Amino acid sequence: SSELTQDPAVSVALGQTVRITCQGDSLRRYYASWYQQKPGQAPVLVIYGKNTRPSGVPDRFSGSSSGNTASLTITGAQAEDEADYYCNSRDSSGDHLFGGGTKLTVL
Amino acid sequence: QVLLHQWGAGLLKPSETLSLTCAVYGGSFSGYYWSWIRQPPGKGLEWIGEINHSGSTKYNPSLKSRVTISLDTSKNQFSLKVRSVTAADTAVYYCARVRYGGQGSLEIWYFDLWGRGTLVTVSS
Repeated sequence: SSELTQDPAVSVALGQTVRITCQGDSLRRYYASWYQQKPGQAPVLVIYGKNTRPSGVPDRFSGSSSGNTASLTITGAQAEDEADYYCNSRDSSGDHLFGGGTKLTVL
Repeated sequence: QVLLHQWGAGLLKPSETLSLTCAVYGGSFSGYYWSWIRQPPGKGLEWIGEINHSGSTKYNPSLKSRVTISLDTSKNQFSLKVRSVTAADTAVYYCARVRYGGQGSLEIWYFDLWGRGTLVTVSS
């Protein structure tokens, strides 16, 4: 199907590890990219490809992919990681897709 | 450092045409795709369409009949027009640079640079 599915909300205790997932058939052909968005700000790329972090993104962010599921893992979550996270890939028609977003709360 | 600066009218009446422009500063226009993405208040991201440096376009099927993306390579700018807007087009509109590649058997596409966003409100 031409959609990417994310859990609407996830919470994590400060300093713990959290995994945010994204499911969709397109992920069998395209790597997901992941974006962090804080209130009132533009999205920021945090992971792309197999597991590549742009310059400036902390190494506690990592990505993985298996079959139709891509995952963004934050190891040792910090208060500043509280944000919305979106996955993205192309679909079978070549159009871009975004997941519905996951709101991450750091407790 | 490459920057994307976007501008355009922020308040429109129903049936008018939304028009936004994004300028690329400090980097090459060639070799990339350039995209528009929007986000209605309190909702998720929606891809509108893209254009490459040669002028080839691709649009979200749900918006295709009303959208035009164009570019002006002489000014390193690309633009978005959405015709016949309604309240449902109220959103923050972002311009973004698209990069692509391959890694193993999978393709890589990602938005590595974003404009700051322009809130467009459609109201009578």
